[in-house]
Amino acid sequence: NFMLTQPHSVSESPGKTVTISCTRGSGSIASNYVQWYQQRPGSAPSIVIYEDNQRPSGVSDRFSGSIDRSSNSASLTISGLKTEDEADYYCQSYNSNNQEFGGGTKLTVL
Amino acid sequence: QVQLVESGGGVVQPGRSLRLSCAASGLTFSGFGMHWVRQAPGKGLEWVALIWYDGSTKYYADSVKGRFTISRDNSKNTMFLQMNSLRAEDTAVYYCATDSCSTTSCYPDSWGQGTLVTVSS
Repeated sequence: NFMLTQPHSVSESPGKTVTISCTRGSGSIASNYVQWYQQRPGSAPSIVIYEDNQRPSGVSDRFSGSIDRSSNSASLTISGLKTEDEADYYCQSYNSNNQEFGGGTKLTVL
Repeated sequence: QVQLVESGGGVVQPGRSLRLSCAASGLTFSGFGMHWVRQAPGKGLEWVALIWYDGSTKYYADSVKGRFTISRDNSKNTMFLQMNSLRAEDTAVYYCATDSCSTTSCYPDSWGQGTLVTVSS
């Protein structure tokens, strides 16, 4: 198994840009795709990025994803922050027969 | 659009069993793998199990292996999670999710609203 490590929390002002990282503990970040999920309070998760950098239909183009082999990490970037973006964000990936989620990052927009 | 509705949650004593269901609509259910993912109160997401579209292959997290069984009935568009020997640490909201696949990968995609399981004496 492997671990995905995220910062516990980040905060930024409306209109600004924020980046949330997700570092893979063992194995290459590039060996398996990374997904990102948004979970607003009291709601189920919903996908905002799949396969490292693909945006599902209906997801704002303010959301983008990338991976960095040098730091073995994935990133979710949200530009033009809105108060509605305030939520928990989880990265997810897999290897062999296991799926893993990061611990989640609480985004505060203030 | 895809709709997933979980049911079967409730309060159960440690060591007892519970069976969760996930009813699907708005998709060709038999064409999708399905996941169970749980979330303990105030905690993050934890993947529990995956079953292939035809039920032929199943994967489990180490934390539930040997105690939980995932299954499906494609004729009823429903997936199940049989949970035996329940422990306090199994207390969580249990979500079902579709396993959507492109040509290169598969991943949890559409999610239900979850059902709460509380293991307590």
